[in-house]
Amino acid sequence: DVKVTQSSRYLVKRTGEKVFLECVQDMDHENMFWYRQDPGLGLRLIYFSYDVKMKEKGDIPEGYSVSREKKERFSLILESASTNQTSMYLCASSLGPGQVLNYGYTFGSGTRLTVV
Amino acid sequence: AQSVTQLDSQVPVFEEAPVELRCNYSSSVSVYLFWYVQYPNQGLQLLLKYLSGSTLVKGINGFEAEFNKSQTSFHLRKPSVHISDTAEYFCAVRGPNTGTASKLTFGTGTRLQVTL
Repeated sequence: DVKVTQSSRYLVKRTGEKVFLECVQDMDHENMFWYRQDPGLGLRLIYFSYDVKMKEKGDIPEGYSVSREKKERFSLILESASTNQTSMYLCASSLGPGQVLNYGYTFGSGTRLTVV
Repeated sequence: AQSVTQLDSQVPVFEEAPVELRCNYSSSVSVYLFWYVQYPNQGLQLLLKYLSGSTLVKGINGFEAEFNKSQTSFHLRKPSVHISDTAEYFCAVRGPNTGTASKLTFGTGTRLQVTL
């Protein structure tokens, strides 16, 4: 089975801290995604990456950046955490264009981040 | 751009009763449709998908969905639910143009609560 592993299940950080959320997948997937999940808002795409060192903004990139130095790892960075970034963060991966139709996305278990 | 609307934020149902979770999409072109399930404290899992062909799609755990192009709907159904079906269900859509990555747009989710 494809595994998408998010390094932390729960995280508590202080306002203004720089926060790193890590995601690793073990099946050589080209695409990786970061979503945040909030009650009543569903999943909103923050950033995605379709190749090493390549990234594109999603629907809500403000306040976030990403890094993909290796194919299997996709990091989400909160440059200066704020309380409105308290949320559940979900990482996902998929095969390249055309192939995702057969296999969909594989999701990690999520990181629940609280900014105090 | 594509979008999905999940009309019900919560659906309470008794065990062994039938259930329908509603999803409507908007798109001016052909689309691909997905249903995902999220059990408590877990990531999302693919339930079923519509790519083409038969409009009735069967998924895991006894769920099925029907693609209705004229009504732009993709409702999820199960004839008899179990307590273990209690979860959040997300409808998602992707358009035909893959671009640099195959992005899915998710609905806001429907919380299915099954009780005895």
